[in-house]
Parts: sequence; structure tokens; C-alpha cells
Amino acid sequence: EDQVTQSPEALRLQEGESSSLNCSYTVSGLRGLFWYRQDPGKGPEFLFTLYSAGEEKEKERLKATLTKKESFLHITAPKPEDSATYLCAVRTPGGKLIFGQGTELSVKP
Amino acid sequence: GAVVSQHPSRVICKSGTSVKIECRSLDFQATTMFWYRQFPKQSLMLMATSNEGSKATYEQGVEKDKFLINHASLTLSTLTVTSAHPEDSSFYICSARGLGVSETGMHEQYFGPGTRLTVT
Repeated sequence: EDQVTQSPEALRLQEGESSSLNCSYTVSGLRGLFWYRQDPGKGPEFLFTLYSAGEEKEKERLKATLTKKESFLHITAPKPEDSATYLCAVRTPGGKLIFGQGTELSVKP
Repeated sequence: GAVVSQHPSRVICKSGTSVKIECRSLDFQATTMFWYRQFPKQSLMLMATSNEGSKATYEQGVEKDKFLINHASLTLSTLTVTSAHPEDSSFYICSARGLGVSETGMHEQYFGPGTRLTVT
């Protein structure tokens, strides 16, 4: 069964305290792993797509990496405006996105 | 990035009435649109997938007669919640995947801002 598990469920950081979010997945034929940011009451905002193990992508303070079993979203020197829920999703061969439960990140000044 | 809009952003309706939610891709043509619902503190659950000009494909457990989906053009899809009940109250989010491909040869998927439905 295709499955995505994110950890931790919630993460509280001090401003400037770097950390990583984990996304473990099992899927029969990965067609892309996606990271989204979701603010309360809003739709998910696209961050990254990774397609093959070893691939890395960066955007400002965020860096996403991918292995055959998991992906990490590294946050370097986070700021309060980085507070949000971060969603990981995998695309199946059928084209569907399977989402994890998300990690709720809170960055305190 | 590509922009997807939804209307309305919030709607309150009485039990037994029907509500229509619109989803538009503003700067690209969407061959495929997806409808999700999200309960508080939970992740997105796919309800249905629709391709322009075709009938929607519903996920297991989603009533197709209750959640009517129309994808009449490459920029517009609608979700109609018929005979709404309080348990249909949720956050409904649409997503669109475009005709064009990214540099990796894949189609990216973009989400709308969501519609908060409250059935009283």
C-alpha cells in the first residue's frame, strides 16, 4: 500500500535554530516527491519536487533531499515567518498525490 | 508559479441545500483537476480526479451523486455539494495540473486557496 509518514508531528524551534523534517514513504513506482507549505486556512503552496534518489533542491532557508526511502526538508536558521505546516506527498504511477499528515513548525523569536 | 483560484473562499449554507465551488487555473491550461477535502489538523484526502471533457473518477468511499464534479474547460472545474449536511462541513481544496511540462519532463501540480464550507 502506498503510504507517506511525516515526523515529527510538531516541531518548535527558536529563531536561528536549524533542524530537519522527515518524510518516509513507500510507493510502487515513485513519480515524484513533493513538498508543500500550508498556512492556516490556506491551500498548500508548492515548494519542491524531487524525482530521483540523491537529488537536492534549495530555496532560501529550505533544502530538500531524497533517498529511496525518505526525504528530508532541512531548515537553516529559521525565522518566525517560516512557521507553517509542511506537507510531503508522493505521486503514484496513476498520477495521484498521496499526502503525509504534515509537520507543524513553530519558530519563536 | 502557476496560480489556481477558488470561489467562494468561505460559504455557510443550511442543511439540505446545495453549494457550488469554482476552481480556476488563471495562467495555464489544466488538463487534470483534483478535489481534496481536509479536516482540522489532518492532511488532504483526495476526493476525485477530473480530466477536461470527461467524467470524474471518484475515490473509494466518496459519493459521486453527492459531490458533483464538472470540468467543462481547461481552466474551470466545479464541485457541487448536493443536499449538504453538517458532516459535509470541511475545507475543500482544488488542485490543477497543467499541459506544459517542467524541465524534468513532469507535470507540476498547484493548489487553490481552499473553500471553507460550514453547513448549519
